[in-house]
Amino acid sequence: AQKITQTQPGMFVQEKEAVTLDCTYDTSDPSYGLFWYKQPSSGEMIFLIYQGSYDQQNATEGRYSLNFQKARKSANLVISASQLGDSAMYFCALLSGGYNKLIFGAGTRLAVHP
Amino acid sequence: DGGITQSPKYLFRKEGQNVTLSCEQNLNHDAMYWYRQDPGQGLRLIYYSQIVNDFQKGDIAEGYSVSREKKESFPLTVTSAQKNPTAFYLCASSIASKSSGQPQHFGDGTRLSIL
Repeated sequence: AQKITQTQPGMFVQEKEAVTLDCTYDTSDPSYGLFWYKQPSSGEMIFLIYQGSYDQQNATEGRYSLNFQKARKSANLVISASQLGDSAMYFCALLSGGYNKLIFGAGTRLAVHP
Repeated sequence: DGGITQSPKYLFRKEGQNVTLSCEQNLNHDAMYWYRQDPGQGLRLIYYSQIVNDFQKGDIAEGYSVSREKKESFPLTVTSAQKNPTAFYLCASSIASKSSGQPQHFGDGTRLSIL
């Protein structure tokens, strides 16, 4: 069965420092994908970054990068140079089978301190 | 600007009442989705639709119904059979694809409460 696990309910980081948010997954599909979304207190879900299971390199998007370790089934999000506006919930999601169905983890609440 | 519009932002339901949440998108996406989010939890899939006039149940479809008569619209009805409807409801859309990682784009959500 497909499953996403985010073991950190909450994290905090000092402004301008880097932070890693953990995500592990379980799937029997040889082809899959992993997404990270940000949810501010206003509620909308903002797409951050995507990693495909066959991608040779770790995905990067600006200050966001994905530390993809396929053998360990982990896809950790790294945010560099944290900003106060990064304070939000962060969700990892697994692309399940076909047709773009997503399975979401429980999320990690990140607080950035000045 | 292209995007997904959910309305209303807040909705209250009385006992025994059906309520309908609106979701409209102008992104020309074929696929649309409805999720439920409970406090402190991730999103769970209620229903999804890959094409007009076709939709499938997600993981928690009981007590909900949908229609997909137009490409742009995917309304969700919370029926009286849903005994615990209080939650945050999110609508999403994406390019329909079996294999590639097309991200889902989300609306701002509707917060539903029981009176």
